[in-house]
Amino acid sequence: GAGVSQSPRYKVTKRGQDVALRCDPISGHVSLYWYRQALGQGPEFLTYFNYEAQQDKSGLPNDRFSAERPEGSISTLTIQRTEQRDSAMYRCASSLAQYQGAGNEQFFGPGTRLTVL
Amino acid sequence: DQQVKQNSPSLSVQEGRISILNCDYTNSMFDYFLWYKKYPAEGPTFLISISSIKDKNEDGRFTVFLNKSAKHLSLHIVPSQPGDSAVYFCAASAGSSNTGKLIFGQGTTLQVKP
Repeated sequence: GAGVSQSPRYKVTKRGQDVALRCDPISGHVSLYWYRQALGQGPEFLTYFNYEAQQDKSGLPNDRFSAERPEGSISTLTIQRTEQRDSAMYRCASSLAQYQGAGNEQFFGPGTRLTVL
Repeated sequence: DQQVKQNSPSLSVQEGRISILNCDYTNSMFDYFLWYKKYPAEGPTFLISISSIKDKNEDGRFTVFLNKSAKHLSLHIVPSQPGDSAVYFCAASAGSSNTGKLIFGQGTTLQVKP
């Protein structure tokens, strides 16, 4: 598969539990992005990485949210002590490089639908 | 504050006619704009983009127009086909700030009727 993959596709958890969402970017893509999408809305930026370095985490809602990309490839978004308001689609995207321009568009994965009961 | 706005939640057009999807933005630092298309149960897929140094970019049936003074862009699809039925998202970035962050609009659901 040449695209961005995410796992699990669906996650149901109870309030207070921790969850880890995984993203496998397109091979060779330097930049990796996490977005959150509420129903009826567009994706909302959370954080992004170049290689293993987290470049911008300004979109993370609070300190319960964290992300890592230790080897510059696969990334994990972790939500601790989940709350019902965390329920959303979490999307990952990757691009060849950091800059925005022709030929360097972000490719999105299918997302992980998180439901917090 | 919504920096990128798509004020029409939905649009319905007849096959063969033109579809025009609109997007407004407020941040004058945005210098690169994109349109993504999304089918149900899939992630958004890139459709077309435009840099702020241009006012038009065309790719087959798809044309994006940028009016910087009005902070407005539009996507034209001519002729529209039933397979174009999807949710369309407008997105913007401040590329000169060297960040990969995209700001998305709320999306417009396009239905093309046969």
